[in-house]
Amino acid sequence: EAQVTQNPRYLITVTGKKLTVTCSQNMNHEYMSWYRQDPGLGLRQIYYSMNVEVTDKGDVPEGYKVSRKEKRNFPLILESPSPNQTSLYFCASTSQGPRNTGELFFGEGSRLTVL
Amino acid sequence: GDSVTQMEGPVTLSEEAFLTINCTYTATGYPSLFWYVQYPGEGLQLLLKATKADDKGSNKGFEATYRKETTSFHLEKGSVQVSDSAVYFCALSGGATNKLIFGTGTLLAVQP
Repeated sequence: EAQVTQNPRYLITVTGKKLTVTCSQNMNHEYMSWYRQDPGLGLRQIYYSMNVEVTDKGDVPEGYKVSRKEKRNFPLILESPSPNQTSLYFCASTSQGPRNTGELFFGEGSRLTVL
Repeated sequence: GDSVTQMEGPVTLSEEAFLTINCTYTATGYPSLFWYVQYPGEGLQLLLKATKADDKGSNKGFEATYRKETTSFHLEKGSVQVSDSAVYFCALSGGATNKLIFGTGTLLAVQP
């Protein structure tokens, strides 16, 4: 089954404790991206990656890091989480080039609470 | 910059009522337009899309027409069901980065 898988789905942590949210897709997509969803703000892009070893900032990258060492994986790293990073996070992917339909395929989301 | 504005929710309707969720956009160039739906506890999934002016996207009884003259992409359904209860996001995409710009989302609650 084609899917984007995120882990963990739910996490409660404390300020300053490094954490990683993993994202993996099995569709051989070149493009991957992270969004955060907050009430009244919709979804905002954090980082994106056009292909392996190619990453770039989105609209709200502060406090986050990403890496793209393999095509299927795109982890989101919070080096020192703060309460304003409490949010619902979504990973998404799509193909590039001629196969691209414009549609993003989303994971089920990771709800993060930073105390 | 590019942006999407959609109507505030929540929208509460009775089953079989007519649904309209308004969406307008601001963009340079000619973006593609999308409606995504988020059911409770799930990720977003594409509902329908339109890639050029006057295109009509449709799926599961929902429709939206790309209106360049009014920069709008309103979502409509003739007869909603309880199972349509979800959050609906209007979005646009343009340029080479595949970035989607989302509206704030509209919660639809359909009562039996």
